[in-house]
Amino acid sequence: AQSVSQHNHHVILSEAASLELGCNYSYGGTVNLFWYVQYPGQHLQLLLKYFSGDPLVKGIKGFEAEFIKSKFSFNLRKPSVQWSDTAEYFCAVSSSGNTPLVFGKGTRLSVIA
Amino acid sequence: SQTIHQWPATLVQPVGSPLSLECTVEGTSNPNLYWYRQAAGRGLQLLFYSVGIGQISSEVPQNLSASRPQDRQFILSSKKLLLSDSGFYLCAWNGGTANTEAFFGQGTRLTVV
Repeated sequence: AQSVSQHNHHVILSEAASLELGCNYSYGGTVNLFWYVQYPGQHLQLLLKYFSGDPLVKGIKGFEAEFIKSKFSFNLRKPSVQWSDTAEYFCAVSSSGNTPLVFGKGTRLSVIA
Repeated sequence: SQTIHQWPATLVQPVGSPLSLECTVEGTSNPNLYWYRQAAGRGLQLLFYSVGIGQISSEVPQNLSASRPQDRQFILSSKKLLLSDSGFYLCAWNGGTANTEAFFGQGTRLTVV
């Protein structure tokens, strides 16, 4: 069964700092990769997704993620974080066919002034 | 457009009582449906998923069950709640193929007392 690892449980950054959140998955076949965000008090929403093509994916709010197949990774990045980026971030993966969407344990990001 | 409804938003139930959480999706047909439980530091744990009416896959053996009596209806149940069933339950759907994003309901905060 596929699994997703997010190595950072809680990240604290100052405003304008650069962000990189790690995500690794365990599945050798074709995968679909997602990053979701949950702002305080709100429901989960999609940041970006990768299905095929360019491994560098641009999402909303200045986020991007890079799919590195050889490393089974899909790390999330943002060059300069803002206070409003404070949220919990979840990496998720599904494989081909009707397999379920599996999530990592999430990374809580706190951005301080 | 598609929408997902999940209710109730909060629920307090005594130990040993039954549970029924309902989720319905509008604006799409034959969706994949999911029940997740979200706990702090543990991310989104997949409980059940369904690819069609009457088809339920269980990911984690536990005190809960799921049913899909209609195409766009997904129900999470328990005959006798345990204290450990307390948590935040999320319903989600995506299209019939793996390369589509999932959309989440607002969630149900269940407290078993």
